[in-house]
Amino acid sequence: AQSVAQPEDQVNVAEGNPLTVKCTYSVSGNPYLFWYVQYPNRGLQFLLKYITGDNLVKGSYGFEAEFNKSQTSFHLKKPSALVSDSALYFCAVRATGGGNKLTFGTGTQLKVEL
Amino acid sequence: GAVVSQHPSRVICKSGTSVKIECRSLDFQATTMFWYRQFPKQSLMLMATSNEGSKATYEQGVEKDKFLINHASLTLSTLTVTSAHPEDSSFYICSAPAGGGYEQYFGPGTRLTVT
Repeated sequence: AQSVAQPEDQVNVAEGNPLTVKCTYSVSGNPYLFWYVQYPNRGLQFLLKYITGDNLVKGSYGFEAEFNKSQTSFHLKKPSALVSDSALYFCAVRATGGGNKLTFGTGTQLKVEL
Repeated sequence: GAVVSQHPSRVICKSGTSVKIECRSLDFQATTMFWYRQFPKQSLMLMATSNEGSKATYEQGVEKDKFLINHASLTLSTLTVTSAHPEDSSFYICSAPAGGGYEQYFGPGTRLTVT
């Protein structure tokens, strides 16, 4: 069975500071990893994915994530946070050859303050 | 990017009635769509996989007679909550894979309130 852990329910950061939202995963075989963002009462928006290749993946809105196979992690990062980045972030995984079924983490609420 | 729509965005119904939620892929075809349920401040729970031209596949613990899914065409899947009760109140989100199938694109969600 595959699983995703997001250890922090909430992350607070000052605008302009770097941010990190943590994610670790467990899956049989090679993982496909994703980050999504959700604004209140909205669906999820795709931010970025790791399928294969470079461990550092760049995505929308200046976000990036680093795939670390030895630590089974896929932390989301941004060099300089904006107040508008405040939202709920979900990490998700699916196994190679496991169909399209995604398993989501519990989500991390990011709050960026002035 | 691929766009998925849902209708309605918000619905209030009385206990015992049925409610239908539509999920459409607007600019791509989707042989598979997924239905999720999200409780406040919680993650998404996969309810079922909707398959065009065949029966939906339900996750363990999801009542298929209560949550009827029909995937009538390559761009439309519907979820009908039958004999709704207040505990069915939730945020329902659909998604469909696109872009080679790696990422999924999500609809904006439907807020169901059963009174």
